[in-house]
Amino acid sequence: DTEVTQTPKHLVMGMTNKKSLKCEQHMGHRAMYWYKQKAKKPPELMFVYSYEKLSINESVPSRFSPECPNSSLLNLHLHALQPEDSALYLCASSQEGRGASFSTDTQYFGPGTRLTVL
Amino acid sequence: SQQGEEDPQALSIQEGENATMNCSYKTSINNLQWYRQNSGRGLVHLILIRSNEREKHSGRLRVTLDTSKKSSSLLITASRAADTASYFCATGGIPNFGNEKLTFGTGTRLTIIP
Repeated sequence: DTEVTQTPKHLVMGMTNKKSLKCEQHMGHRAMYWYKQKAKKPPELMFVYSYEKLSINESVPSRFSPECPNSSLLNLHLHALQPEDSALYLCASSQEGRGASFSTDTQYFGPGTRLTVL
Repeated sequence: SQQGEEDPQALSIQEGENATMNCSYKTSINNLQWYRQNSGRGLVHLILIRSNEREKHSGRLRVTLDTSKKSSSLLITASRAADTASYFCATGGIPNFGNEKLTFGTGTRLTIIP
């Protein structure tokens, strides 16, 4: 299996809702990532997990809460989001999870979740 | 910020022609990668070139890297309609310099006209 899957594909939520995005890979990769991408903009890194531990948090607001329950699964819990949080949320993985440069290795992306916050 | 600037922002060419996109960045890098993104979908890795390499090929793709000018180019030869997509360069920061992540450039929107 050489792909990263993300569910749901689309999500519409109100500002008071709680929802979760899910990402899964079965390539044995030990690093996983969340990115946020606004329309016609490049992806922006949010979080990096290495061996199921949070390695990088790019000063993301606490209304976004990542979780890595095992080496294949990455979740992003959403609560009290704002309309400006509407974006494409991309998950990615890379093979190595250790070493100084693991997070600059080739990354494999999922298809993304299109999130709309009303 | 190490974010790369890509030019052109948009490029339209006839099928069969070659397409060239350029990426410039600001700080020293460990590697530079190119990714393709079809409309509203995930990114697909195309090629990685390390800071000590100058040129790399993969099928119809040719990437060059000039670290003295802090720039890279992606050449797609004999373009096809299926090459229509956005192309992003991504720079990998040097380890232990506080920038151990991929930083994506602004992207080039390529349209191949059949």
